[in-house]
Amino acid sequence: GAVVSQHPSRVICKSGTSVKIECRSLDFQATTMFWYRQFPKQSLMLMATSNEGSKATYEQGVEKDKFLINHASLTLSTLTVTSAHPEDSSFYICSAPRGANTDTQYFGPGTRLTVL
Amino acid sequence: EDQVTQSPEALRLQEGESSSLNCSYTVSGLRGLFWYRQDPGKGPEFLFTLYSAGEEKEKERLKATLTKKESFLHITAPKPEDSATYLCAVQADGNDYKLSFGAGTTVTVRA
Repeated sequence: GAVVSQHPSRVICKSGTSVKIECRSLDFQATTMFWYRQFPKQSLMLMATSNEGSKATYEQGVEKDKFLINHASLTLSTLTVTSAHPEDSSFYICSAPRGANTDTQYFGPGTRLTVL
Repeated sequence: EDQVTQSPEALRLQEGESSSLNCSYTVSGLRGLFWYRQDPGKGPEFLFTLYSAGEEKEKERLKATLTKKESFLHITAPKPEDSATYLCAVQADGNDYKLSFGAGTTVTVRA
C-alpha cells in the first residue's frame, strides 16, 4: 500500500493566489522529505529538501520566497506556492526515505497544479 | 555534477518481446542506483535499489543489473500492464540522500 500521501491531488487556482500542498508519511516518521516538480514528458527535478525542525534547503534556481516549505512534524511537510502564476503550473511530487536503508525514497501520488 | 542518461527515450514492444533499457551514469561516488516505474499522472513507484557493480535484482518480469558505468533494466516477456515510464536515479555519497533522475524510458507493450 501507499506509504506517502499528498493532498490535494489536483488544484486549480487563479493567478496571484497561494496554494498549499501537503505531504504525509504514513505509519513512519520522516525527518527529511523532498519536493520535486515535473513538467509534461520530462523527468523529476528536485526543488528542495524539507527538514523537520530546521529550514528547508533549496536547489539552485528555486526561489525560496516563492515556494515556502514547512516541515511541521515528523510526518508532515507542506509546500506553499505563493502568488502563483501560470508558469507555476506543474506536477508537484514529494518523497520520503523509509526503511532500514533510509536512502530508498518513496514517492507520493503527486499534485497537479493548474494556475489560470 | 551527477549525470544520468537513459536510452532509448521510447520503446514499443509486442507482448512477449523481451528487451532492455539502459541507464548510464556519472557520479562522484555512488551510494545507490534506483529504478522507479511511473504511470501517467501518478508518482513514481519504487522498484529496485542497486549498490555495487555486479549486483542484480529481480521482481516478476523485471531484472536490474549494475556495472560501474551503467545499469540495465531487462523486461522479460512483457505484458501490456508493464507499459509505463521507467525512471533511473542515482544517489551520491554525502549528498544528503538527494536523487538525480534520468529523463526516463517510456515503454509501450502492445497485446
